[in-house]
Amino acid sequence: DIVLTQTPLSSPVTLGQPASISCRSDQSLVHRDGNTYLSWFQQRPGQPPRLLIYKISNRFSGVPDRFSGSGAGTDFTLKITRVEAEDVGVYYCLQATQFPYTFGQGTKLDIK
Amino acid sequence: QVQLQQWGAGLLKPSETLSLTCSVYGGSFSGHYWIWIRQSPGKGLEWIGESNHNGITHYNPSLKSRVTISVDTSKNQFSLKLTSVTAADTAVYYCASFGYTSSAVEDWGRGALVTVSP
Repeated sequence: DIVLTQTPLSSPVTLGQPASISCRSDQSLVHRDGNTYLSWFQQRPGQPPRLLIYKISNRFSGVPDRFSGSGAGTDFTLKITRVEAEDVGVYYCLQATQFPYTFGQGTKLDIK
Repeated sequence: QVQLQQWGAGLLKPSETLSLTCSVYGGSFSGHYWIWIRQSPGKGLEWIGESNHNGITHYNPSLKSRVTISVDTSKNQFSLKLTSVTAADTAVYYCASFGYTSSAVEDWGRGALVTVSP
């Protein structure tokens, strides 16, 4: 199985400041069809995860443009330009390049 | 986007069979893969498996011998059965949709806590 490692595990941030989360894979996530199936999710307390970004950098419907994704191969990053209070939660990356699809262990974002 | 409503037994004894069902509202039943994911404190988020509307399935090898995912297109529903449960299967189970275009998990059910205890 592909292992996704997220850093940091916890990220206290100041409101209005940027935040960045890394997701590193132990194998390339480039599919034989040329696409890279790496997505990002936000999970607020007591709720299911919510899709933010798919295929590295595509924002899902309704996701604010302060969220962005980047990366290639084995290294990927989720960035929030200016953290708002509603961004508190746990963030996960998911690879859907190779079955079984696997998630990162999560990064907890909270406010300083 | 679709709405997903799930239900099923929440408390099981070891060796029993977990059974959950998810109804799909809105969107195209044939336009997604229908998946089950579970979340536990010890193992985080774990992909259980998926089925398309034709019943073509893929299961996580770690659970393959115990898992069945089935679809009922007449009711826009899909179901999960997991046999011979143990305490290690205690988790929140989510039904969700996997989009063909995004190749990502687009919509999630609210989740159902399943506890396995003697």
